Amino acid sequence: QKEVEQNSGPLSVPEGAIASLNCTYSDRGSQSFFWYRQYSGKSPELIMSIYSNGDKEDGRFTAQLNKASQYVSLLIRDSQPSDSATYLCAFDTGRRALTFGSGTRLQVQP
Amino acid sequence: DAGVTQSPTHLIKTRGQQVTLRCSPKSGHDTVSWYQQALGQGPQFIFQYYEEEERQRGNFPDRFSGHQFPNYSSELNVNALLLGDSALYLCASSLRTPQGEQFFGPGTRLTVL
Repeated sequence: QKEVEQNSGPLSVPEGAIASLNCTYSDRGSQSFFWYRQYSGKSPELIMSIYSNGDKEDGRFTAQLNKASQYVSLLIRDSQPSDSATYLCAFDTGRRALTFGSGTRLQVQP
Repeated sequence: DAGVTQSPTHLIKTRGQQVTLRCSPKSGHDTVSWYQQALGQGPQFIFQYYEEEERQRGNFPDRFSGHQFPNYSSELNVNALLLGDSALYLCASSLRTPQGEQFFGPGTRLTVL
């Protein structure tokens, strides 16, 4: 079993819709969870961090964490073509060494 | 406020050679982590430096080594390059706090021929 599972996509949504990205992890010792956005040919950019169960909102982005189900998700409201990128989820067990999934490619259709 | 910087941007080497990559952390950050990202994959943790010492290491051979300087900048050295070492090498800086978020530099694209 992979440590972090993400659907590789592509996930295609129309402009203005809600994009829902999901991630499951296997290590119950995970303490911190992150979502990074990576445009083609660029480096990952941190967009959300979440540390406790529940929802965390930042602008059009909402991260959701459920430690009991070992599940973290990212919702993007009012999706824009500029949101088209690969979204990487990552977790940290406290070692400060991030474990990443392979990413989900999101395509927002104008 | 300067972000994380890395040099060089691109590098081409041949098998068996050695390479050194450089990273300057974001202003105020004291911890540097290195990651390797193969095409189509997520980054993989190589190691982390804090107070000029290697604090954590991922599943990478001893051919991968590093250093951190008193000004917090860091180097990644790879010896005896293999074709499989071709990847994007990412440096991330953070504060050494329990929830220290890691911010990535632009990366160095290494191609081994």
